[in-house]
Order: sequence, then C-alpha cells, then structure tokens
Amino acid sequence: QQQVKQSPQSLIVQKGGISIINCAYENTAFDYFPWYQQFPGKGPALLIAIRPDVSEKKEGRFTISFNKSAKQFSLHIMDSQPGDSATYFCAAKLNRDDKIIFGKGTRLHILP
Amino acid sequence: DGGITQSPKYLFRKEGQNVTLSCEQNLNHDAMYWYRQDPGQGLRLIYYSQIVNDFQKGDIAEGYSVSREKKESFPLTVTSAQKNPTAFYLCASRGQGWNSPLHFGNGTRLTVT
Repeated sequence: QQQVKQSPQSLIVQKGGISIINCAYENTAFDYFPWYQQFPGKGPALLIAIRPDVSEKKEGRFTISFNKSAKQFSLHIMDSQPGDSATYFCAAKLNRDDKIIFGKGTRLHILP
Repeated sequence: DGGITQSPKYLFRKEGQNVTLSCEQNLNHDAMYWYRQDPGQGLRLIYYSQIVNDFQKGDIAEGYSVSREKKESFPLTVTSAQKNPTAFYLCASRGQGWNSPLHFGNGTRLTVT
C-alpha cells in the first residue's frame, strides 16, 4: 500500500511549546522520509529528512523521530514560534524509484 | 538564480477546454514531477518523469497528459476529461541521489468554470 497517513489535520500550539506531527506508512519499500513546510501561495520546501536506518535526526529546533518497527515517524518542533505557522507535509520515497508520495498535511498555528 | 518556474500564477478556463501548464527548471535535474493540491487532500502525484522522453503515471493521472521532450521542461495538459480540474498545481524537480530533495515551483492556480 503506497500511502502515508498524517495526523493531526490541524494543530494549535502556544508560542514556546512543542509541536508534534505524526505520520505512518505500510510499504516497507520506502527508503527516504522527508518533511516539507509550505507557506500560503508558495510551493513546499524541504525542512528535514531521515532515512530508515536512523532513529532520530535533529536540525536546530526540528527533530524527526523514526520508529521502523512501528512504521511511524514524527516531526517535533521545539520552542515553536509564530513564524513556524505553516502547513507541514510528511512524505516517503520508494526504493529504487523516484516516486514520492505525500501525507495530507497538517496546518500548524502558533499562538503569539 | 536556479529554480523552478511555473507560469502563469493564475489561469482561468471554460469547461470543455484543454489547458497546458508550463514548468521550466534550470537546476539540471533529471527528475520532474507534477502534483495537485486540494484543501485537506495534501499533494497528490499526477505524473513524474525520471528522464527525457520517459514518464510514469502517478496516483491521479486520469484526465491529464504530459510530455518530456527537453530536460528543462515538463508541461502538463489538463484535458476536458478531467472531472474536477480546479486546483492548485505544483511542479517540482529532483537531482540525482536517493536523498535529493524535491524543489518546487510556486504553483499555478487553475480555475475552470
């Protein structure tokens, strides 16, 4: 099954709090799991990515946690800021292919 | 500046007409993609191309057609067979390497009435 299920659909977090977005997949043929950030009227841009043999990757305030056995991965945004308000998409790439599929997105709003 | 150019930003068509969306890249990327974005639906893959003169259907290819005659260009035609063509269309390209990211254009919003 080539799907990536993302939750929640929307999220409101206080400034300074932790934002957590979750994704799950079924196909074990995925070999790359990126997260993209999209602002209104713009195309998405890569935020952070992880490969399945790594359990965690951190870049600044953004961390991906990856649980291969559970087929789940999540994005954590520490010390969330109003400028982080955007739509976030998880994605997955098929091994030995260029096909990349996306979750349905999470609209994040950080309260000032 | 290297990047993806989609034109026009807004496009209006009457029902029953075919319309072609432009996508050009100067990143020298082999792979190019078309996604459709609808509220609450995320990004759904229409077509992708890994090399010139070759392309594969994505998950929602019905009612769409593409061509890849040049490495830099990957135009998408929305045909009259597409039942719900009004949407935000995003083009992207990707370099070589399993972990190369997608580079997106800023999209074309198509409205069909």
